Amino acid sequence: DTGVSQDPRHKITKRGQNVTFRCDPISEHNRLYWYRQTLGQGPEFLTYFQNEAQLEKSRLLSDRFSAERPKGSFSTLEIQRTEQGDSAMYLCASSSTGAGANEKLFFGSGTQLSVL
Amino acid sequence: SQELEQSPQSLIVQEGKNLTINCTSSKTLYGLYWYKQKYGEGLIFLMMLQKGGEEKSHEKITAKLDEKKQQSSLHITASQPSHAGIYLCGADPRGDKIIFGKGTRLHILP
Repeated sequence: DTGVSQDPRHKITKRGQNVTFRCDPISEHNRLYWYRQTLGQGPEFLTYFQNEAQLEKSRLLSDRFSAERPKGSFSTLEIQRTEQGDSAMYLCASSSTGAGANEKLFFGSGTQLSVL
Repeated sequence: SQELEQSPQSLIVQEGKNLTINCTSSKTLYGLYWYKQKYGEGLIFLMMLQKGGEEKSHEKITAKLDEKKQQSSLHITASQPSHAGIYLCGADPRGDKIIFGKGTRLHILP
């Protein structure tokens, strides 16, 4: 169990540029989640996948955001035409589906995005 | 939709003192999670409570879910510098994703 890994840890970009983040979940986990966290707030749900299927997207996920999990393993989150309001910590988490609900999530260390 | 309110928002305590953090839900809780986050890092799972009246402990941290299942408390005994961080409660109302409160920021004074 190598844990959830995210890359990069930090990203500084200029407004208007595109950025892409990667998340590698725990290998046997079917579910993968993306959250966004701004200073002083708790993590806000963005989207989640079960295997390669994207099952839910939050209304926070504007058209400039897209997430993929093409082979049901790693996932990418792309932000196009970044805005200063996109500056945040982007957290990835994974879990196994298990027999029922209430599965705990394992989180990565996050990608801190700063848009100048 | 379910909302979680945490209190206090921030807390400063002297090392060695006890403290309590509360999490109140707008709806009945079916599974309540406690996570800890160090500043600028990811979340670390602490405990999950499912049954009304349930209480769990890990080292010096104890969490309880009240009988009516709309509030949980997290209690730290004899606080240490290693307890400093952000404590987040989370709920999974539909059994598909966790929603979180805004967190309680804990600072420990040596």
